[in-house]
Amino acid sequence: EPEVTQTPSHQVTQMGQEVILRCVPISNHLYFYWYRQILGQKVEFLVSFYNNEISEKSEIFDDQFSVERPDGSNFTLKIRSTKLEDSAMYFCASSEVRQATDTQYFGPGTRLTVL
Amino acid sequence: GESVGLHLPTLSVQEGDNSIINCAYSNSASDYFIWYKQESGKGPQFIIDIRSNMDKRQGQRVTVLLNKTVKHLSLQIAATQPGDSAVYFCAERSGGYQKVTFGTGTKLQVIP
Repeated sequence: EPEVTQTPSHQVTQMGQEVILRCVPISNHLYFYWYRQILGQKVEFLVSFYNNEISEKSEIFDDQFSVERPDGSNFTLKIRSTKLEDSAMYFCASSEVRQATDTQYFGPGTRLTVL
Repeated sequence: GESVGLHLPTLSVQEGDNSIINCAYSNSASDYFIWYKQESGKGPQFIIDIRSNMDKRQGQRVTVLLNKTVKHLSLQIAATQPGDSAVYFCAERSGGYQKVTFGTGTKLQVIP
């Protein structure tokens, strides 16, 4: 069964450093998403991406964040200058089409630890 | 602000019994609801969904009930198994927006 994959599984970085989290969405999916989950809290939407541009973003997704589809298979989330409060699990998701009822399939997540 | 939240943080059930996980939501514009299961160290896994024009939907061993009058959603798991132990999130989408808004989660513990 096709699945979303993410690398690395765990990333440790120093405050102020740039990190890039990588995702390979399901191959025939056209919509891509990033969510995050701070330990013990809700899963929160960050951004959705379609046709090489951002289609929706939350207030969390400020200028420190960016997303990119550098090639036909990868989808990345970049944090330019990490802060302690960026420590969280980051989940990538993808869906086939843009319908209100289309299922988003989530990857296993990358645990980001900012020291 | 608008939110999707859960009544109980932890639910313990005996193996073989039925489980009911409840969820309250506040956004009256929500038109699509989803239940996700999250096992330790994994991402949310889709279980079942329901549109706002329905009040019940059944899957394999799972049933979702929607009561729009009181803005309440429930997930029923029949004959609960040890593999059902996980955190369960209700979530919603509204107005054609892509973002999924998650609730706080209920931990289901199955006692063998």
